[in-house]
Amino acid sequence: LAKTTQPISMDSYEGQEVNITCSHNNIATNDYITWYQQFPSQGPRFIIQGYKTKVTNEVASLFIPADRKSSTLSLPRVSLSDTAVYYCLVGETSGGYNKLIFGAGTRLAVHP
Amino acid sequence: DVKVTQSSRYLVKRTGEKVFLECVQDMDHENMFWYRQDPGLGLRLIYFSYDVKMKEKGDIPEGYSVSREKKERFSLILESASTNQTSMYLCASSYTGPDEKLFFGSGTQLSVL
Repeated sequence: LAKTTQPISMDSYEGQEVNITCSHNNIATNDYITWYQQFPSQGPRFIIQGYKTKVTNEVASLFIPADRKSSTLSLPRVSLSDTAVYYCLVGETSGGYNKLIFGAGTRLAVHP
Repeated sequence: DVKVTQSSRYLVKRTGEKVFLECVQDMDHENMFWYRQDPGLGLRLIYFSYDVKMKEKGDIPEGYSVSREKKERFSLILESASTNQTSMYLCASSYTGPDEKLFFGSGTQLSVL
């Protein structure tokens, strides 16, 4: 089972800020939190990664509270091209190796 | 930029055939992964490898095997293809570290008739 829980779907409109929250109650001390974006018929691509507090890049921001049991991906001023599935990942150690398991993801639909 | 190349974008095979899906990465990554993706089921991990000649089972290894003879190449093998193996197959690679990031190929859409 995936270690993360996200909303199945979200709807937004162009120009709005979108926040997607991921729950990871059993996150391990060494785990980073990584978000990926996937468009239809393509492989997922890396968006942002963080360990604690806040991380920002040219695409998104990632907010991580002190207890690290959840994280929020923030997409500022979304456009139609941000319609995609967004996955939150944390590591899952198996036999000493980091086994990267995807959850169901959040399907974001941006409307005109 | 990291490049992960999957040998075929689309593949059509018949039930019972042996199928090879090839994946090559050009960034000297230690780790390579095979996932399959089906509508409504998300990405599921089939096998992964953390070193040459090393393999570990993922969540759904049944009906599949893998080969990693060289660091840059990770092959997924369907010994006897079945219709329930019709799916999108995605290969990924990553470097080792707590901040590990996956880099994916474009995927192979396999249809087994």
